Amino acid sequence: DTEVTQTPKHLVMGMTNKKSLKCEQHMGHRAMYWYKQKAKKPPELMFVYSYEKLSINESVPSRFSPECPNSSLLNLHLHALQPEDSALYLCASSQWLDSNQPQHFGDGTRLSIL
Amino acid sequence: AQSVTQLGSHVSVSEGALVLLRCNYSSSVPPYLFWYVQYPNQGLQLLLKYTTGATLVKGINGFEAEFKKSETSFHLTKPSAHMSDAAEYFCAVSDGSQGNLIFGKGTKLSVKP
Repeated sequence: DTEVTQTPKHLVMGMTNKKSLKCEQHMGHRAMYWYKQKAKKPPELMFVYSYEKLSINESVPSRFSPECPNSSLLNLHLHALQPEDSALYLCASSQWLDSNQPQHFGDGTRLSIL
Repeated sequence: AQSVTQLGSHVSVSEGALVLLRCNYSSSVPPYLFWYVQYPNQGLQLLLKYTTGATLVKGINGFEAEFKKSETSFHLTKPSAHMSDAAEYFCAVSDGSQGNLIFGKGTKLSVKP
């Protein structure tokens, strides 16, 4: 069982829809991450939050909008996505933003764009 | 800049055989290294990590890895493969103080009965 919970597990949406991905952790971690993973590829970092503030944005298109309402929750708002955005979206957390802290991953949301 | 190279995109072993998954890193500073496993339709699970101290690191599910600075390697081993070990394995190095993970391309492990 994972300690990072992501909902929904699967999402199918059209290019004009607006939807949100949710991530929750109750380990008291203060750093949270969004990754995108295409099939047979490693995860690619999208965003990093530290103490609820955006720390890193890896030049992600504005159709992806992250939000960290509190230390346990991380959202990813989606709008006007493209077919190439279909992927597995992984959330992770670590105790804090430090290079020796392991990241704990959720099981992801599999997103399909029609 | 840090980077990771995993040799072999696909490794196949027989059940009960030794598992050896290779990882070489490049880092301008002392590295922090991680191995993760990903089962189908799941997220990544931490197997083990090297930060400082003992160079032989033991992880979950009988896996271990040895940090060899002279060879810039962090190979993952398991003495006896089990069918349940079939999965994708990622080696990662931490990118400086920001804690970003730089992943290798992954190695898919198949276990034959």
